[in-house]
Amino acid sequence: EAQVTQNPRYLITVTGKKLTVTCSQNMNHEYMSWYRQDPGLGLRQIYYSMNVEVTDKGDVPEGYKVSRKEKRNFPLILESPSPNQTSLYFCASSLRPDTGELFFGEGSRLTVL
Amino acid sequence: RKEVEQDPGPFNVPEGATVAFNCTYSNSASQSFFWYRQDCRKEPKLLMSVYSSGNEDGRFTAQLNRASQYISLLIRDSKLSDSATYLCVVRLIDNDYKLSFGAGTTVTVRA
Repeated sequence: EAQVTQNPRYLITVTGKKLTVTCSQNMNHEYMSWYRQDPGLGLRQIYYSMNVEVTDKGDVPEGYKVSRKEKRNFPLILESPSPNQTSLYFCASSLRPDTGELFFGEGSRLTVL
Repeated sequence: RKEVEQDPGPFNVPEGATVAFNCTYSNSASQSFFWYRQDCRKEPKLLMSVYSSGNEDGRFTAQLNRASQYISLLIRDSKLSDSATYLCVVRLIDNDYKLSFGAGTTVTVRA
């Protein structure tokens, strides 16, 4: 089944404790992206990747890091999480970034205390 | 000013009713437009693209008004299963892969 898989789906952590949210897609998509969704603000792009070893900042990259060592994986790293990073995070992928069709993972709800 | 703005709703409608709502975008250079659907606590999924000439997919009709910089979505003969949040998505500039998402319009269809 074609899908984007994120883990963990739910996480409660404390300020400053490094964490990684994994994202994997099995559709051989070149483009991958991370978004955060907050009430009233819509989805905001954190980072995106056009291909292996190519990553770029989105609208809200502060406090996050990513890597794209393999085509299928695009982990999101929070080196020192803070409460303002409490949010719902979505990973998405697309065969071609110029289409509007993104395939999203199920989301990861992160709470930073 | 937000790049993409939507009336958050909620729009509460009875089954069988028609509901329509708009989304405005601020950048006149915007090239591509889409509607996504997001069920409660789930991931967004592409509902339909919006073409310049307008397009229809079953009970859903999308329109684009470039002069007034808005797109619309109309749902006819609403079903309970249409209850969701509808996200307006705009691709700002051709050859730019950035998609800007609206905060969504919530539709609740009641029996």
